[in-house]
Amino acid sequence: DAGVIQSPRHEVTEMGQEVTLRCKPISGHNSLFWYRQTMMRGLELLIYFNNNVPIDDSGMPEDRFSAKMPNASFSTLKIQPSEPRDSAVYFCASSPGGGTEAFFGQGTRLTVV
Amino acid sequence: GQQVMQIPQYQHVQEGEDFTTYCNSSTTLSNIQWYKQRPGGHPVFLIQLVKSGEVKKQKRLTFQFGEAKKNSSLHITATQTTDVGTYFCAVKTSYDKVIFGPGTSLSVIP
Repeated sequence: DAGVIQSPRHEVTEMGQEVTLRCKPISGHNSLFWYRQTMMRGLELLIYFNNNVPIDDSGMPEDRFSAKMPNASFSTLKIQPSEPRDSAVYFCASSPGGGTEAFFGQGTRLTVV
Repeated sequence: GQQVMQIPQYQHVQEGEDFTTYCNSSTTLSNIQWYKQRPGGHPVFLIQLVKSGEVKKQKRLTFQFGEAKKNSSLHITATQTTDVGTYFCAVKTSYDKVIFGPGTSLSVIP
């Protein structure tokens, strides 16, 4: 298995633009997580899905952020409009049902200028 | 919600010295996980502890879960430059939700 796949790896965008981050979890995993990592705030859980259903989105910063999981093999995190303070590394991770560990993707480094 | 704190935030050691990071919670934990993130990389799972007083070893790494299940530690014996990175403790809650501590960043001076 190729592991959790995220795209793009790097994204540079201008303030006000829409940004879409993509994630393909490991096949067979039924939990999917979106994390944001910054120096100041560490590794924050934004939202997580179980069997494609959003279970807890309390970590989503504000209405500019939205996440979807239309099927078991794909998820998106969208920021609209983007702001410089959204600059961070965004990780997607997946976990098998009843499993132990979360498997992380390589991350998307987002820079909003 | 459940939160875990870690100390120290940063640690610089000479190669060959030992290193310990501590994870603490104000509430009883059902489990504790440890992850390592190399610079520029992504978190990678190391281990999970679930039993009170549990001790597990992986080569030079020793993981402990406190008797009260409110704290945990990771100890590295004789650090090497390959140990450089940030070590996170994390808690897996219901629905497989994984919450991470702030991490301890380890630097190893050759």
